[in-house]
Amino acid sequence: KAGVTQTPRYLIKTRGQQVTLSCSPISGHRSVSWYQQTPGQGLQFLFEYFSETQRNKGNFPGRFSGRQFSNSRSEMNVSTLELGDSALYLCASRKSGVAGVDSYNEQFFGPGTRLTVL
Amino acid sequence: DQQVKQNSPSLSVQEGRISILNCDYTNSMFDYFLWYKKYPAEGPTFLISISSIKDKNEDGRFTVFLNKSAKHLSLHIVPSQPGDSAVYFCAASPFSNTGKLIFGQGTTLQVKP
Repeated sequence: KAGVTQTPRYLIKTRGQQVTLSCSPISGHRSVSWYQQTPGQGLQFLFEYFSETQRNKGNFPGRFSGRQFSNSRSEMNVSTLELGDSALYLCASRKSGVAGVDSYNEQFFGPGTRLTVL
Repeated sequence: DQQVKQNSPSLSVQEGRISILNCDYTNSMFDYFLWYKKYPAEGPTFLISISSIKDKNEDGRFTVFLNKSAKHLSLHIVPSQPGDSAVYFCAASPFSNTGKLIFGQGTTLQVKP
């Protein structure tokens, strides 16, 4: 079974530009979450999508947005890039479903996209 | 306000011995806990999880213990192997069936041959 894939793996942008990152979840997984990892803040939750709807949102500015398609693939977009947006962006997928089933809470991460803002 | 804390930034153990990684949390409403291993420039790899209704879960060399009264969980790796050397993160889920995880800062484990 293929894992979570993310494209591109590396990206270099300049301040003020925008960027779109892509994530394909594990087959059968309906929930996709995005995280940002930086040396100073660690791993922080950005948002979660399920059935093309944003289900949860972390504490990030509105420049960070996302969407999910009918095939569960997801994209996240960062507009007006700032130097502080340089980070490893991770996508994770899980089955989702009925609360109380342990396996629905297990998230599997992709390799990440390393974004550098100059 | 860090809700999930891993107070030991690093841990070094000898191959074959037990590795114990610790994690504390502040929110008693956390419903589910997970441990991940991470190598540089890679995404976290899921290791093991535990529901708040249990106090122990085992999977091969990995065992997670949960002490709800102390708001503490630990990951035991027995026996430790050099390939286990990585950064270990604990994460908590604020409610069931959610993709939102709150991560600790990580503990770097080094297993010496």
